[in-house]
Amino acid sequence: DQQVKQNSPSLSVQEGRISILNCDYTNSMFDYFLWYKKYPAEGPTFLISISSIKDKNEDGRFTVFLNKSAKHLSLHIVPSQPGDSAVYFCAACMNRDDKIIFGKGTRLHILP
Amino acid sequence: ETGVTQSPTHLIKTRGQQVTLRCSSQSGHNTVSWYQQALGQGPQFIFQYYREEENGRGNFPPRFSGLQFPNYSSELNVNALELDDSALYLCASSRDGHSGNTIYFGEGSWLTVV
Repeated sequence: DQQVKQNSPSLSVQEGRISILNCDYTNSMFDYFLWYKKYPAEGPTFLISISSIKDKNEDGRFTVFLNKSAKHLSLHIVPSQPGDSAVYFCAACMNRDDKIIFGKGTRLHILP
Repeated sequence: ETGVTQSPTHLIKTRGQQVTLRCSSQSGHNTVSWYQQALGQGPQFIFQYYREEENGRGNFPPRFSGLQFPNYSSELNVNALELDDSALYLCASSRDGHSGNTIYFGEGSWLTVV
């Protein structure tokens, strides 16, 4: 039973355009949401997070939006750059110290 | 570079055998978490060790066991290997049982069971 769902296995976006990665979750007890980025032969690295009390968090080119009523979050990257090509994992936990539940990931390709 | 190192990076084992994977945590971190990432899946939480005690466990059978040493490095042991145990095993370190955005992953150990 996938509690965190990323329904798009891959996404291709032109360099300079906006990349939008989507994520849905089923467990209403999740309190904290994260996005991780993973390059081949490396472990996942933390990108950005959002607490359930917020609906938006921004960090440079990265913005995460949370819609609690729809149990949906999205990651916006603008403008997209070649170095953004990677696998992006959406993740959630009950609180900041709880185990992290990951989605299956979305592979983002930034096209020149 | 996260300061979390794992060994070995790749290994092949036969079904029924046992395997030990090792992890050295980032300096100053006293908590280690282990995750299994099967092909095409996201990482799945196996367990966490905090100050040498198990501090939470995911939905994995008892043949998955672990240890944390006084220097906070850790081992993941898997007995009676099955084909489905083939995966990338990720270790992550943090402080004081924390998780979330304060967790740092190593590059992983690729295990192939044949």
